[in-house]
Amino acid sequence: EVQLLESGGGLVQPGGSLRLACAASGLTLSNYGMSWVRQAPGKGLEWVSGINPTGIITYYADSVKGRFTISRDNSKNTLYLQLNSLRGEDTAVYYCVKGFPLAQFDYWGQGTLVTVSS
Amino acid sequence: QSVLTQPPSASATPGQRVTISCSGSSSNVGSNTVNWYQHLPGTAPKLLIYTNNQRPSGVPDRFSGSKSGTSASLAISGLQSEDEADYYCAAWDDSLNGAVFGGGTKLTVL
Repeated sequence: EVQLLESGGGLVQPGGSLRLACAASGLTLSNYGMSWVRQAPGKGLEWVSGINPTGIITYYADSVKGRFTISRDNSKNTLYLQLNSLRGEDTAVYYCVKGFPLAQFDYWGQGTLVTVSS
Repeated sequence: QSVLTQPPSASATPGQRVTISCSGSSSNVGSNTVNWYQHLPGTAPKLLIYTNNQRPSGVPDRFSGSKSGTSASLAISGLQSEDEADYYCAAWDDSLNGAVFGGGTKLTVL
């Protein structure tokens, strides 16, 4: 059974940083492109970033470009998202999802909540 | 403002058929496949339809998808109360170099 387990969310002040992690089980992460998708309170789904299986190719939504960094450690079967210069509008549940490129996300984690507030 | 346009809401009674539209452009729906997601409150979104009209294992055949040009649609027949959820379309956008979602459609089963 495929499981994606996010961690690292929490309350952070504007301008602060967080590092999200996504531990995968039941699949070999190095075989797949992966993405992060978020949902702000009361809003729809928004793709944030994606990374190819080797980690060489990374893409970002304009809303986070230059502030967020996606990476992966295939030896640990783990995906990461470094969130810097956080803003109130970054408050959201962040989902780790299997799939990149394209928008076919066939496995989702349960999500981790990031709250940016003073 | 979402790149893909969906109606914010839809409703129908049990047993009826409902269709949800998704409108895009040549850089996304017009040139890439469309996927649909079902999102129930408090749970992770679920892939419902992939590659325009394919159902993952376990998705009932009451759900179907289609695409024509820069528009796509999701149809649900034999509507059931448990179908009440938010539905999102998504596609890759070649101009943005990223995945784009519709704003979501809240389906109410009356």
